[in-house]
Amino acid sequence: AQKVTQAQTEISVVEKEDVTLDCVYETRDTTYYLFWYKQPPSGELVFLIRRNSFDEQNEISGRYSWNFQKSTSSFNFTITASQVVDSAVYFCALTSAGNNRKLIWGLGTSLAVNP
Amino acid sequence: NAGVTQTPKFQVLKTGQSMTLQCAQDMNHEYMSWYRQDPGMGLRLIHYSVGAGITDQGEVPNGYNVSRSTTEDFPLRLLSAAPSQTSVYFCASSFMGTQYFGPGTRLTVL
Repeated sequence: AQKVTQAQTEISVVEKEDVTLDCVYETRDTTYYLFWYKQPPSGELVFLIRRNSFDEQNEISGRYSWNFQKSTSSFNFTITASQVVDSAVYFCALTSAGNNRKLIWGLGTSLAVNP
Repeated sequence: NAGVTQTPKFQVLKTGQSMTLQCAQDMNHEYMSWYRQDPGMGLRLIHYSVGAGITDQGEVPNGYNVSRSTTEDFPLRLLSAAPSQTSVYFCASSFMGTQYFGPGTRLTVL
């Protein structure tokens, strides 16, 4: 069975701090995709990144970076120099490659960045 | 290019009423899905479709119907609304495994 665990339910930081959101997954598939989505207070779900299971390179996009480690089944998300606009719920998700594209979701981490 | 659109944004129903939540996408994606989001329970898959004319059940399909007559549209029907269906509903379409979401519909059933 597939599972995504986001152990941190809520995180509160002060602006400009770095923060890492943890994501641990379980799957028996050899080919799969991992995702991060952001849900700001306005409620929409915004796609941030997709990582393929065969690509373990870390990714950086501005203040955001992602660390994918198959050895520990983790796909962690770091925000550098956090800003108030980063306040949101962040979801990690997993899907198998192939025709079944159902997403398995973590329960999310609520990040509050305080001025 | 509007992406994924959903109507209405907000809806209040009385128990027993029926309604249809509309979802449309203009990206020519084959895969579409409906989720509900409830506090503490994350997103749960209701129904999904891998193409026009093909639908299947997700985790929580009871009380909901779907159809997919065109690639663009994937409406979700509540047959007889119940208070347990109070939730935020998201429609999504998928390309290469990545799902793109509509803005959501907040439904309250009294």
